[in-house]
Parts: sequence; structure tokens; C-alpha cells
Amino acid sequence: GESVGLHLPTLSVQEGDNSIINCAYSNSASDYFIWYKQESGKGPQFIIDIRSNMDKRQGQRVTVLLNKTVKHLSLQIAATQPGDSAVYFCAESPGGYQKVTFGTGTKLQVIP
Amino acid sequence: EAQVTQNPRYLITVTGKKLTVTCSQNMNHEYMSWYRQDPGLGLRQIYYSMNVEVTDKGDVPEGYKVSRKEKRNFPLILESPSPNQTSLYFCASSLFSPGTGNYGYTFGSGTRLTVV
Repeated sequence: GESVGLHLPTLSVQEGDNSIINCAYSNSASDYFIWYKQESGKGPQFIIDIRSNMDKRQGQRVTVLLNKTVKHLSLQIAATQPGDSAVYFCAESPGGYQKVTFGTGTKLQVIP
Repeated sequence: EAQVTQNPRYLITVTGKKLTVTCSQNMNHEYMSWYRQDPGLGLRQIYYSMNVEVTDKGDVPEGYKVSRKEKRNFPLILESPSPNQTSLYFCASSLFSPGTGNYGYTFGSGTRLTVV
């Protein structure tokens, strides 16, 4: 598959454990946040999003937490599985037709 | 199946030889965008289009052109490719602007371009 980054921060997690991937964002005006998952050889895929009027949102096995005070976003994956191995990107936008800015990504390695 | 299709997946070309990377989406999305992905730099926006005949520059537009004559297609044109355009390219579409919600972007599978 395609390599998306040679020097990405890497998180190694035992299969079955919970994973927490963190993201610091820079724009205090950002209103909308998204987490994407990129598997080797594929394009990024939407996981979950959250608006700035919320501080937590849950999906299937995933939870996103937003702390606007310190401009921090995290993605929690419950009971991590080998299929969760990928690069995870956070993205932020002030909303509307203003652009989306992506983070540089974190590589999640799941140890069987 | 709802998807963004870009072609080719892999391309090796020589400096100066014009090329086009095609992108098509079947979701009736208004907003389309091209990104390049380089190690350590993440995804950087090249050009975007808010609708037919409406395009604008992203963060790294130099050396690229786009057109949006139809809603579904958004080709990326490199008139005179150079080695610094060697990269992994992604086309993406969104129902409206990806910042408005509606699940953000749907991405294509990528085009690995090498310019020698």
C-alpha cells in the first residue's frame, strides 16, 4: 500500500485495549471537527464529527471529546481491533464555506 | 455505490509532459477539492470548487489547473509537471462545503504521481 508518512507519531496498542488519539488544533474560531481514518493504499474515510457546541459525541466503538478551552480534540476507540490499524487525522473548520485544515496524522498500530 | 473515482492510481511521467488526473463523483455533491499528501506535511489543499464553473485556489495551487464544467467531474491538470510535484493526490467531494457538516468529505482512493 501507499506510505502516507515516514515520521508520523505512532501509537501501539494491544488488541482489545482502548486507544486514545489526541489532536491539538490551532484556530480558536474553528466550529466543526472531524476525525478521518486512512488505511494503507486508500483515501481518508470519515469516522465521526463534532460541533463546537458539544464536548462529547459517541459513535459505534468511537467517542470524540472536544475541549475548547485548551483547543484539544481526542478520539477514543474501544476494544481496539486489528482492522483499526491506520493513520488517523483530525480536521477542523470555522464552518460554512471556510476551509478545512487537516492535522498531520497519528499512526495506530494494533498488536495482536 | 456512492464514491469518488480518480484515475489513474499510479502515474510516472517526465518533467514538462502535460498530464491530467481525472476525478468523478456520483453523489451530486456541490463541493469538490484536490489535495496533495506528503510525508510530514499532511493533506494540503490545491484547488477547490463550490459548484459548476466556480473554482478557487487552495494553499498550494502553483503548477496546477482545474476545471469544473460539469457537477460530477473535477480534473486536475499539470501543464508542465516538475519533480517537486511528485506526491500522492486525493480528490474529495462534499455535499456542500465540508465545514458545514454532512459528514465532511468523501475521498477518492488516491493517485500516486512520480515526476522524473
